[in-house]
Amino acid sequence: HSVLTQPPSASGTPGQRVTISCSGSNSNIGSHTVNWYQQLPGTAPKLLMYTNNQRPSGVPDRFSGSKSGTSASLAISGLQSEDEADYYCATWDDSLNGPWVFGGGTKLTVL
Amino acid sequence: EVQLLESGGGLVQPGGSLRLSCTGSGFTFSNYAMSWVRQAPGMGLEWVSGISDRGGTTNYADSVKGRFTLSRDNSKNTLSLQMNSLRADDTAMYYCATHYGGYVSYHLDSWGQGTLVTVSS
Repeated sequence: HSVLTQPPSASGTPGQRVTISCSGSNSNIGSHTVNWYQQLPGTAPKLLMYTNNQRPSGVPDRFSGSKSGTSASLAISGLQSEDEADYYCATWDDSLNGPWVFGGGTKLTVL
Repeated sequence: EVQLLESGGGLVQPGGSLRLSCTGSGFTFSNYAMSWVRQAPGMGLEWVSGISDRGGTTNYADSVKGRFTLSRDNSKNTLSLQMNSLRADDTAMYYCATHYGGYVSYHLDSWGQGTLVTVSS
């Protein structure tokens, strides 16, 4: 079981907005910034969002991130078929769980 | 363009050893901390071990502490993970990744394509 909790699945139709949550505790999300990774089928993970809400160059502004307290969220607006992937949140953890912990991943399906 | 090329994966019996390598190019290797992250078949991501830019600090997940040793050779742009006393639950794709800066506390940035380790008799 993962230190960070994500819903195992999410779905939406093209053009819709979907959000993926990531829940942690004071030792991780509550004290540190959150990063998000996108893993397309059969490929390596790719950095999607860092420091809660910063997009690396090349990531469309359809993707946005936020954090509040011990939870974080990734939002995808204008959903496209190529967004179908697994999404993972990650952060530093000050407890024995750490130092780096990931969520269990959310499989996003574009209907 | 950052490129990370992992090698050394394969089939090994329980209790055996394996040494993974990761060679970086397209960036100044000695300026960045590096980590290994693994993914068991059909499962999520698990951080395994990380090392600071000059190699002075290493960190390990509890699941591998005492069995795995991480090192780097900045003169050869190479990261190495020595894995001993391997168990079936070490079976996974192992990804090499850079951190955003010289410390493991920076977020994971660029990732390699991975090398598969299978522990089975």
